[in-house]
Amino acid sequence: NAGVTQTPKFRILKIGQSMTLQCTQDMNHNYMYWYRQDPGMGLKLIYYSVGAGITDKGEVPNGYNVSRSTTEDFPLRLELAAPSQTSVYFCASSYGPQGGPEAFFGQGTRLTVV
Amino acid sequence: KQEVTQIPAALSVPEGENLVLNCSFTDSAIYNLQWFRQDPGKGLTSLLLIQSSQREQTSGRLNASLDKSSGRSTLYIAASQPGDSATYLCARMEGQNFVFGPGTRLSVLP
Repeated sequence: NAGVTQTPKFRILKIGQSMTLQCTQDMNHNYMYWYRQDPGMGLKLIYYSVGAGITDKGEVPNGYNVSRSTTEDFPLRLELAAPSQTSVYFCASSYGPQGGPEAFFGQGTRLTVV
Repeated sequence: KQEVTQIPAALSVPEGENLVLNCSFTDSAIYNLQWFRQDPGKGLTSLLLIQSSQREQTSGRLNASLDKSSGRSTLYIAASQPGDSATYLCARMEGQNFVFGPGTRLSVLP
């Protein structure tokens, strides 16, 4: 089973460039999440979605955008990359608090902005 | 805003020891709690999920307990092995989202 798949695994961006981090899951989960992890810190929630067509901001949404046109896909968009966005990004999914709260994570995308 | 703390931040033990990792929350009105393992440069692997109605979960050499009254969860690892070396993260479910602790970095020495 593929689970949660993220692409790319690594990326270097120049300041001001834009890119989309891809995330897809094959478990038919309603809930999907984007987190960032900075060295020595816990994961911080960027955006989440409780179903297709529904997204909401997390703790650190500035500089990012998301969309959820299908149950499977939840891409994260960086419009104007800044050095502060250098981080490791993780996508996750679950059935949700009522349907089964266990979260499954992708392998991460390591992004460096120079 | 709820916070999750983990103690210790790092731990180094000889192989074969039993050990306890701690996770604490500022609000004891917890919903669900999940323990993860993260290997260097890798994603998070789910270890154990304790739902709000449960007090503990076990999987092999791992046992996680949840004490809502004190706002604490512990992860017990029995007979530690070098392959257990990793960072262990706890996360509590807050509403529809997970709030993570900073992790405990475990090294098990052969």
